[in-house]
Amino acid sequence: NAGVTQTPKFQVLKTGQSMTLQCAQDMNHNSMYWYRQDPGMGLRLIYYSASEGTTDKGEVPNGYNVSRLNKREFSLRLESAAPSQTSVYFCASSSLTARNTIYFGEGSWLTVV
Amino acid sequence: GNSVTQMEGPVTLSEEAFLTINCTYTATGYPSLFWYVQYPGEGLQLLLKATKADDKGSNKGFEATYRKETTSFHLEKGSVQVSDSAVYFCALSDPNRDDKIIFGKGTRLHILP
Repeated sequence: NAGVTQTPKFQVLKTGQSMTLQCAQDMNHNSMYWYRQDPGMGLRLIYYSASEGTTDKGEVPNGYNVSRLNKREFSLRLESAAPSQTSVYFCASSSLTARNTIYFGEGSWLTVV
Repeated sequence: GNSVTQMEGPVTLSEEAFLTINCTYTATGYPSLFWYVQYPGEGLQLLLKATKADDKGSNKGFEATYRKETTSFHLEKGSVQVSDSAVYFCALSDPNRDDKIIFGKGTRLHILP
């Protein structure tokens, strides 16, 4: 039961470096999401993809880009990392056929120094 | 637009106390409503859900009833345990509004032995 798998789990970056967080789901879901979670801030939506080939900005998209490579995969890229992007990142997916129950990955802890 | 408001935390209770975490929502149409739980160091996982008015979701001793007249979905448990210490998120999805899932800010719950 893989569900939603995201990598890496932990990463330390220097300011200005780039990296890509990978996410894949094996539940045949149409919708995929990237959230960030900061202490005391709850979840904030970065980007959202309703289906393969479509992406939409969420609440905090600045500094990020995404790619919905196919139905299974949704990657998040930081082109030039900043300390303000230190956070825990969660990938998630959902489907109307599951009445939009959203399933989360285990999280990626990113530190930018 | 759609939104979810839940009570601020942290909430601290003694073991076996009664728990209520309030959640109210704003949405057009008939959203589905969810409670998610996040244990320390983990991702979010579905606790319970309700998809139409007057439905009651329940799981692990927790309950919440979809009240359309008061636009509420309050989480309750009759007797909490130390193991219930976690962050709880109320959420909604509205198929009439591109079915993005909207989360509340989360309520941290501490249960004292």
